[in-house]
Amino acid sequence: DADVTQTPRNRITKTGKRIMLECSQTKGHDRMYWYRQDPGLGLRLIYYSFDVKDINKGEISDGYSVSRQAQAKFSLSLESAIPNQTALYFCATSDPGGSGRNYNEQFFGPGTRLTVL
Amino acid sequence: QQQVKQSPQSLIVQKGGIPIINCAYENTAFDYFPWYQQFPGKGPALLIAIRPDVSEKKEGRFTISFNKSAKQFSLHIMDSQPGDSATYFCAASKDGNEKLTFGTGTRLTIIP
Repeated sequence: DADVTQTPRNRITKTGKRIMLECSQTKGHDRMYWYRQDPGLGLRLIYYSFDVKDINKGEISDGYSVSRQAQAKFSLSLESAIPNQTALYFCATSDPGGSGRNYNEQFFGPGTRLTVL
Repeated sequence: QQQVKQSPQSLIVQKGGIPIINCAYENTAFDYFPWYQQFPGKGPALLIAIRPDVSEKKEGRFTISFNKSAKQFSLHIMDSQPGDSATYFCAASKDGNEKLTFGTGTRLTIIP
């Protein structure tokens, strides 16, 4: 099931480099999210977008920016990567109208493993 | 500020046992409590969810117990199998329609 895709799947970069992680979805959902996952810290919300013109900061947005290019595309950028941004990054979508089993079910992509040296 | 506290961080249970994962929340405005299951190399996927108007919800071998007065909810897995080995996240949101606040996750291992 490739409804939510993320590219790249793995990326190694150096401190100070700009990097972009991309997310695309074919589910037709308006809402999209970016999370990072760290061991022992769970999933933390970076940014979210409820439609193409709506961008909101999550709990850990410092050092990140996003772009919602279309309903289907939501990109996460690290303007100047630092080692503590090494993490697993997930994109997710949801449809409050309830196309999932539960009306706010979030559908996650496969993740991008980012390493900043 | 950890609005949803999850325990234990890891859990090892023998096949057929009943692992229990607990979560506690602080925000009384939360009214939607899902559990997500994540297998290695995959994104999390919704497992089961509950609203606070009921104290228990079952789907197959998975049960959520909810205690509104204690602001706690837990996941029970009946007749656990090695295929249930995964990381489990509890979460909460307001109105069921807002962004989710996740717990820190529990790595569950079911040994044969």
